[in-house]
This record gives sequence, structure tokens and C-alpha cells, in this order.
Amino acid sequence: DAGVIQSPRHEVTEMGQEVTLRCKPISGHDYLFWYRQTMMRGLELLIYFNNNVPIDDSGMPEDRFSAKMPNASFSTLKIQPSEPRDSAVYFCASSSRRTSGEQYFGPGTRLTVT
Amino acid sequence: DAKTTQPPSMDCAEGRAANLPCNHSTISGNEYVYWYRQIHSQGPQYIIHGLKNNETNEMASLIITEDRKSSTLILPHATLRDTAVYYCIVFNDYKLSFGAGTTVTVRA
Repeated sequence: DAGVIQSPRHEVTEMGQEVTLRCKPISGHDYLFWYRQTMMRGLELLIYFNNNVPIDDSGMPEDRFSAKMPNASFSTLKIQPSEPRDSAVYFCASSSRRTSGEQYFGPGTRLTVT
Repeated sequence: DAKTTQPPSMDCAEGRAANLPCNHSTISGNEYVYWYRQIHSQGPQYIIHGLKNNETNEMASLIITEDRKSSTLILPHATLRDTAVYYCIVFNDYKLSFGAGTTVTVRA
């Protein structure tokens, strides 16, 4: 298995633009997580899905952020409009059991908003 | 959520064992201790987890005290590639709450 795949690896955009981050979880995993990592706040859970359904989005910072999982092999995290404070590394992770803390992380997308 | 306390940094000589401590004095009886590490510019990587018994896998060993208030991750023969930030996490339901971790530097 190729592991969790994220694209793009790097994204540079201007303030106000829409940004879409993509994730392909490990095949057979039914939980998908989106995290954000910054120097100031560390690694934070934004939202997670089970069987393509969003379960907890309490970590999503504000309405500018939205996430979808249209099928078991694809998820997106969208920021519209983007702001400089959204600059961070965004990680996607997947796992096969809800009660398992054994999550597999992708390589991350480094987002820079100027 | 149970919180963890780890030293901010530690050094280790290549080839020696690295012992990483973690305090989790407020852990509940059904909460697991998980360890992850993050090598620079990569995503976090799962290492090992345990409830109350000591655990060992190909990467590390986990020693949990009898009262479960602390644990130690042991890297038996540290290599330069083990240089990373190591996170001790008390797993609550679905949520992995990453703290600041311990920055481990393995020196030749």
C-alpha cells in the first residue's frame, strides 16, 4: 500500500483565494482525520470522518473551513477565503478502527498564504 | 482529557538506549498510552501503545508503571535516524491530542 496520499505537497496562494487540499486514505480504513500543525499551536485535530460521514468538526477554526468525503477513497479540506493565519502544514491521517489510536499520517501539505 | 508531561529535549549517543519518560498522572483506567514520533518535515509516525502491561515491538519498548501514572519509551539501540520529536499521548476515544513532545537528538 502506498500509505496516505496528500496533494499538493506545497501550496502558495494569495489572501482571499480558495484553497483545496486533497487526501486519499489507506484502502480499507474507515476513519479519516484532518490535522493542522503550526509552531504556535502544535498539531491540532480539525475534523474526522467515519465511513465518509463527518463525526466531529469541533476543531474546525471557522466557517471558512470545510471538509468533505464523497467516497471512501477521497477527502478534501477547503479554505475559502484563505488568510495568512491559515499558513500551516495540514496532515491527513486514516485508521481502521475508531477506538484505535494507531493512525497513519500522510506527508502533509505545506500551505503558505501571502 | 488526561494530560502528559515530557521533558522538552534530550540527547542520546548513537548505539545506546534512549529512555524517554512521560508523566500522565490523571490517566483513567480505560485510557491507553500511545507514542508517536515526528521526524523533521514528515507526518507523525505511530510507534507503540499500551494499557497497563509492558509492550515491545520492532521499534521500541514501552514500560508503564503499576499505578499507570507514568511510562517510559525505550529505543534500544538509537541511530541517527531516530532523531525526532517524540510524543506521549493518552488516547481518549478517537482523539489524539499532541503536546509539545520531547525533541530527541541522537549524536554520533
